[in-house]
Amino acid sequence: EAGVVQSPRYKIIEKKQPVAFWCNPISGHNTLYWYLQNLGQGPELLIRYENEEAVDDSQLPKDRFSAERLKGVDSTLKIQPAELGDSAVYLCASSLSTGGGYEQYFGPGTRLTVT
Amino acid sequence: AQSVTQPDIHITVSEGASLELRCNYSYGATPYLFWYVQSPGQGLQLLLKYFSGDTLVQGIKGFEAEFKRSQSSFNLRKPSVHWSDAAEYFCAVGAHTGGFKTIFGAGTRLFVKA
Repeated sequence: EAGVVQSPRYKIIEKKQPVAFWCNPISGHNTLYWYLQNLGQGPELLIRYENEEAVDDSQLPKDRFSAERLKGVDSTLKIQPAELGDSAVYLCASSLSTGGGYEQYFGPGTRLTVT
Repeated sequence: AQSVTQPDIHITVSEGASLELRCNYSYGATPYLFWYVQSPGQGLQLLLKYFSGDTLVQGIKGFEAEFKRSQSSFNLRKPSVHWSDAAEYFCAVGAHTGGFKTIFGAGTRLFVKA
């Protein structure tokens, strides 16, 4: 069974530029999460999807961040424009919404560096 | 809302020695508790979880954790550490608060010395 796939693995951009991250969850997982992980910290939820619906985006900075999950499968997280403080690892995770014990399966993350 | 604290930022143990990583949570009812491990450049991997029942749970890679309601703790243990266990360990607490939400601790970095 393939795990959660994320691309790119690394991205270096200049501030004020746009950037996008892509995630493909485990097949059959209808819950998808995007997390932000700063150095030395645990993951912090940005947005959670149940199928196509964003059910928790309270921590997403909507002035510059956006996300979509068309067709309830893969998802894209976008930042426009990027700021220096956005440098971090962006993790995608997926889980079964019912019967799965709520454990999450994580991708390897995208390390973003904003210069 | 739930919260989780990992008091130790980093811990160093000798290979072959026992390990205990501390985790304290705050939540009014019995939460869902998890331990995840993250190796450098990798995503998080679930080690074990507790929902109910036996308070001592076994996980992968020889890890176990014990839920102690009276202490609001869910400490992770391993009787004999291997060099490959060097990684970052995250405790997490989940609860049904307007949908199921999981909060992660700040992590404990484990160093293993030969």
